[in-house]
Amino acid sequence: DADVTQTPRNRITKTGKRIMLECSQTKGHDRMYWYRQDPGLGLRLIYYSFDVKDINKGEISDGYSVSRQAQAKFSLSLESAIPNQTALYFCATSDEDRWVFDEQFFGPGTRLTVL
Amino acid sequence: ELKVEQNPLFLSMQEGKNYTIYCNYSTTSDRLYWYRQDPGKSLESLFVLLSNGAVKQEGRLMASLDTKARLSTLHITAAVHDLSATYFCAVVTDDKIIFGKGTRLHILP
Repeated sequence: DADVTQTPRNRITKTGKRIMLECSQTKGHDRMYWYRQDPGLGLRLIYYSFDVKDINKGEISDGYSVSRQAQAKFSLSLESAIPNQTALYFCATSDEDRWVFDEQFFGPGTRLTVL
Repeated sequence: ELKVEQNPLFLSMQEGKNYTIYCNYSTTSDRLYWYRQDPGKSLESLFVLLSNGAVKQEGRLMASLDTKARLSTLHITAAVHDLSATYFCAVVTDDKIIFGKGTRLHILP
């Protein structure tokens, strides 16, 4: 079984709809991250969480919100989706033992299309 | 502001050849990561570089870090088709992690 799972894997939605992307992990890591990947732009950090009570904005948090329901679960919400949020979204985890933004382990990704 | 620049962004090369991918960054950092992404897949960690002069090798890939020059290199030796992928560097400062745009490597048989 995969250590980091994301659901759904693909989603098509319409402008203005609320959508939630979910991430679960069995690695036992405290730190979890959400990124988006756009063609030719690399990955950009949306939000990150160091534990259940600690949520931090990343580089591009506008238009997104997150919830850390448990150590193993971190969800990303788009309250009112817009077409430029069409992208590939990755969840990642890292261990807490060393540093902020330690080596990360990525989920399989969710491809989101907003029409 | 931390900026990370990778080059080249696309590289097509013959099997058996050597080549180097460069990752330049704009502010002080002492930690840099290299990741690999196969088409349609997730990212896989390749190397963690922690200090000036760090060098790591795995198979045909070797990564190095020069913090004074703010430069990391990923060197490919005697490329094989299986190394075709997109390679990303990621640079960390105190409160940010910034990924490069990626180098798409295509190795021709």
